[in-house]
Amino acid sequence: DAGVTQSPTHLIKTRGQQVTLRCSPKSGHDTVSWYQQALGQGPQFIFQYYEEEERQRGNFPDRFSGHQFPNYSSELNVNALLLGDSALYLCASSLSLTGTANSPLHFGNGTRLTVT
Amino acid sequence: QQPVQSPQAVILREGEDAVINCSSSKALYSVHWYRQKHGEAPVFLMILLKGGEQKGHDKISASFNEKKQQSSLYLTASQLSYSGTYFCGTVAGGTSYGKLTFGQGTILTVHP
Repeated sequence: DAGVTQSPTHLIKTRGQQVTLRCSPKSGHDTVSWYQQALGQGPQFIFQYYEEEERQRGNFPDRFSGHQFPNYSSELNVNALLLGDSALYLCASSLSLTGTANSPLHFGNGTRLTVT
Repeated sequence: QQPVQSPQAVILREGEDAVINCSSSKALYSVHWYRQKHGEAPVFLMILLKGGEQKGHDKISASFNEKKQQSSLYLTASQLSYSGTYFCGTVAGGTSYGKLTFGQGTILTVHP
């Protein structure tokens, strides 16, 4: 049973560039959430996708956008990269049936993004 | 708003106990607990729903005080494998579909 997989594992970009991160959820899960984790901090919620639509969004600018595909996989896009976007980006999948409150998140190992 | 965890760091010897607290200023629907080891993904430990439910997972248990909007994670007879950063995550509001917001984390170090 494959868990949550993310690609790439590491990425180095220059300020102003655009980046796309990818996530495949755990088998059987239909909901994908994206988090940004700065060094020494807790994960910060970016947004959540369910049924190919953004269901919830955290306090992130419009430069952060996403997409969910019919097979439940998801992408996170960040435009006009800033130095402050350097972080570990975590994807987490869950089952929507019982809601976020009742459903454990299964995390991928993340993509380490460095913006220079 | 982000829940507040205390303490920020704990250092233990094997066999000692620890308590990690998580407080929120909002009415909570549920509290999640996760552990993250260095360089790894956070791993789910348990969920507590409003109603003062207490859950256990091996020698790790937790409680949720709905009146105070606080949760505590109890680690008894700690083992080396317990080392890591512990995060609480809270779902606020009256719906079970709210976003999960994490605290800043508590670093737990267990020495032999």
